[in-house]
Amino acid sequence: EVQLVESGGGLVQPGGSLRLSCAASGFTFISYEMNWVRQAPGKGLEWVSYISYSDRSIYYADSVKGRFTISRDNAKNSLYLQMNSLRAEDTAVYYCARASGSFLDYWGQGALVTVSS
Amino acid sequence: QLVLTQSPSASASLGASVKLTCTLSRGHSSYAIAWHQQQPEKGPRYLMNLNSDGSHSKGDGIPDRFSGSSSGAERYLTISSLQSEDEADYYCQTWDTGIRVFGGGTKLTVL
Repeated sequence: EVQLVESGGGLVQPGGSLRLSCAASGFTFISYEMNWVRQAPGKGLEWVSYISYSDRSIYYADSVKGRFTISRDNAKNSLYLQMNSLRAEDTAVYYCARASGSFLDYWGQGALVTVSS
Repeated sequence: QLVLTQSPSASASLGASVKLTCTLSRGHSSYAIAWHQQQPEKGPRYLMNLNSDGSHSKGDGIPDRFSGSSSGAERYLTISSLQSEDEADYYCQTWDTGIRVFGGGTKLTVL
């Protein structure tokens, strides 16, 4: 069974940093591209970042470019999102999602990040 | 610019059918999309991917009640024999080089 479990969310002050992790199981992690998607309270889904199988290709939404860094450790079956210079508008539930081709076919349950003083 | 447009809300009666629409922006009518369901207080769930010719492939465990179709720049999700658990937000999603794009979502109410 495919499972994606996010962790590392919490309350952080504006300007602070946080690192999210996503533990993957039930599939061959190295064979899949991965994404982070977020959802602000009461809002729709917003794609955040993408990473290819071996880090060769990485992309970010304009809203997080220069502040967030996606990475993966294939030996640990894990995906990460380092978030720096956090702003109130980054408050959201962050989901990791597996990509099958170009569509997202499995999602985690999400990790809540709250940016507030 | 690649944009997906969805109606904010839809409603239909228990046991009836409903057809949700996702419209691709001008110049992108050949793009495939994916449909995702998000039940209240849950993470999204992948339903299917849908090509411009209407062919589609559903995710694991998705009931036959869910089907997809296409016409021009429009992509449809049809849910038949509506059940209470179908009350959810439905998002379409597509992609271009390096980016993934979501529609604004349609909130489906089952009456």
